[in-house]
Amino acid sequence: GDSVTQMEGPVTLSEEAFLTINCTYTATGYPSLFWYVQYPGEGLQLLLKATKADDKGSNKGFEATYRKETTSFHLEKGSVQVSDSAVYFCALTGRDDKIIFGKGTRLHILP
Amino acid sequence: DTGVSQNPRHKITKRGQNVTFRCDPISEHNRLYWYRQTLGQGPEFLTYFQNEAQLEKSRLLSDRFSAERPKGSFSTLEIQRTEQGDSAMYLCASSPRGSGEETQYFGPGTRLLVL
Repeated sequence: GDSVTQMEGPVTLSEEAFLTINCTYTATGYPSLFWYVQYPGEGLQLLLKATKADDKGSNKGFEATYRKETTSFHLEKGSVQVSDSAVYFCALTGRDDKIIFGKGTRLHILP
Repeated sequence: DTGVSQNPRHKITKRGQNVTFRCDPISEHNRLYWYRQTLGQGPEFLTYFQNEAQLEKSRLLSDRFSAERPKGSFSTLEIQRTEQGDSAMYLCASSPRGSGEETQYFGPGTRLLVL
């Protein structure tokens, strides 16, 4: 069945460092791909999405490109801030539009 | 637009008791989803509704679980004879009609602890 695999955390970086969180997927057909973020004490929020191959989703300085050839959707940010500390979930929409999530990657940014 | 709301936010119960959670979706969103998130894991799909019709149930949803969405507005998720393994965060999401490209908007969740 459809699945998402993302790098395990926690990931700890210093402020202004470059961030990459790897995500690969297995799916039949052509899923839409998402990154969701969960800040401490808050609900899940959509960070960015891409709906077809080679699309780039971007928001709040984060980017991810839908790579069909490598079945990947890696999350990147050029300069992280302390406020980016959160849990990040890679996800896809599978059959019948339900979301299939990865296990999440906890990110800690040190000042 | 007040977003998706869920009540209660926290619930502590004893094993064997029944619990019911409520989700109020964004108005005019005709799709409503329930997910369960256990510690250290991503959310897992439980079930979803298109208006009042329940279209799919995950194998995770045992016979002790039932969900309803009367009149296609709010939804309830009931767990009967709770077990310690039911302890988790229960998330509700809603989306406008249509395809898998529609964004799902999540509520804050109901955290259940079964003692």
